[in-house]
Amino acid sequence: AQSVTQLDSHVSVSEGTPVLLRCNYSSSYSPSLFWYVQHPNKGLQLLLKYTSAATLVKGINGFEAEFKKSETSFHLTKPSAHMSDAAEYFCVVSDMGDMRFGAGTRLTVKP
Amino acid sequence: ETGVTQTPRHLVMGMTNKKSLKCEQHLGHNAMYWYKQSAKKPLELMFVYNFKEQTENNSVPSRFSPECPNSSHLFLHLHTLQPEDSALYLCASSQVGAFANSPLHFGNGTRLTVT
Repeated sequence: AQSVTQLDSHVSVSEGTPVLLRCNYSSSYSPSLFWYVQHPNKGLQLLLKYTSAATLVKGINGFEAEFKKSETSFHLTKPSAHMSDAAEYFCVVSDMGDMRFGAGTRLTVKP
Repeated sequence: ETGVTQTPRHLVMGMTNKKSLKCEQHLGHNAMYWYKQSAKKPLELMFVYNFKEQTENNSVPSRFSPECPNSSHLFLHLHTLQPEDSALYLCASSQVGAFANSPLHFGNGTRLTVT
């Protein structure tokens, strides 16, 4: 069975500083991995996806993630945080038709 | 606009009421899903429909009854709910059958409060 662990339930950064949201996964096969963002009172929006092509994946709003098989990680990064990035972020692993969501990381951006 | 529309956005119902949640997707997808999102808990998959056929029922109580009349519409019929059923109910759709590693597209959810 596969699983996904988001290592931080809450991350706080200052506006203009880098963002790092950590995600580790376990999977028996070659998974697809996704990051979603959820703003208050909204559904989940796809940020980016990894599907066995390039290991460095660029997404929307300046976010990117790197698939590291040796570390079973898929951390989400952004060079400079913006106030509008404050939201809940979910890492998702999908393998052989089984999709698992992480518990989420709440990102707070301070002015 | 997300391409997946859920109505109503908010719903308050008593434990003896019967209500329905509606989801419509305008993306031409052939799989649809219901998820439950409760505070401080991971997203819970409830039901999956693939080409209008239910392919997964994730041990959901019978007081939740899904209906998928076509690939674009999905309903969740509610009756005799409990206060612990209060949550955000999210509908999603995807292309090329259920999961198969294709991303989900979510609606904005229905915030349900059971009193």
